[in-house]
Amino acid sequence: NAGVTQTPKFRVLKTGQSMTLLCAQDMNHEYMYWYRQDPGMGLRLIHYSVGEGTTAKGEVPDGYNVSRLKKQNFLLGLESAAPSQTSVYFCASSLRQGYNEQFFGPGTRLTVL
Amino acid sequence: GQQVMQIPQYQHVQEGEDFTTYCNSSTTLSNIQWYKQRPGGHPVFLIQLVKSGEVKKQKRLTFQFGEAKKNSSLHITATQTTDVGTYFCAVNTGGFKTIFGAGTRLFVKA
Repeated sequence: NAGVTQTPKFRVLKTGQSMTLLCAQDMNHEYMYWYRQDPGMGLRLIHYSVGEGTTAKGEVPDGYNVSRLKKQNFLLGLESAAPSQTSVYFCASSLRQGYNEQFFGPGTRLTVL
Repeated sequence: GQQVMQIPQYQHVQEGEDFTTYCNSSTTLSNIQWYKQRPGGHPVFLIQLVKSGEVKKQKRLTFQFGEAKKNSSLHITATQTTDVGTYFCAVNTGGFKTIFGAGTRLFVKA
């Protein structure tokens, strides 16, 4: 099993450009999450999904959109990138709520100039 | 909203010394999780604590959940260079959201 994979690993954008980050998991997990990690601030939840076709806002959803058309994939979109969105983005998944171990992908390092 | 305070922000130790990080909440928690992130890596789940006063051990790591379920600690005995990284606590806010502490970064000098 590959676990949780993320593409791309690195990306540099100019302000105003758009992009989509892809997360895929092969563990048949119901729940998937997108976090951003900034120095000294830990991990902050952007959006999450409790199942195929459903998404919900986390702590810092502004400027991002998500979609979960297939159970194994969770996409994070930036419609108009801003320098404040420079960060490391992690995707995670978990089997169910009762035992909430989250499995993280390797991360995407995004720089917005 | 739910917040967790994690202290210290960072700690430098000599190899062989002990290390402890603390996680505190103003509200009663249903459970708490601990994760480790190596430099340049991604968070990896270590353990989950659920019961009041619970103590769990993993080799040199000891995890405790407070009696009031408002705080938790991770203690490493006799640190090694392989312990280097950032340790995060994480709590569920109810529903499906998980809130992470800011983390404690551990530096170990050989």
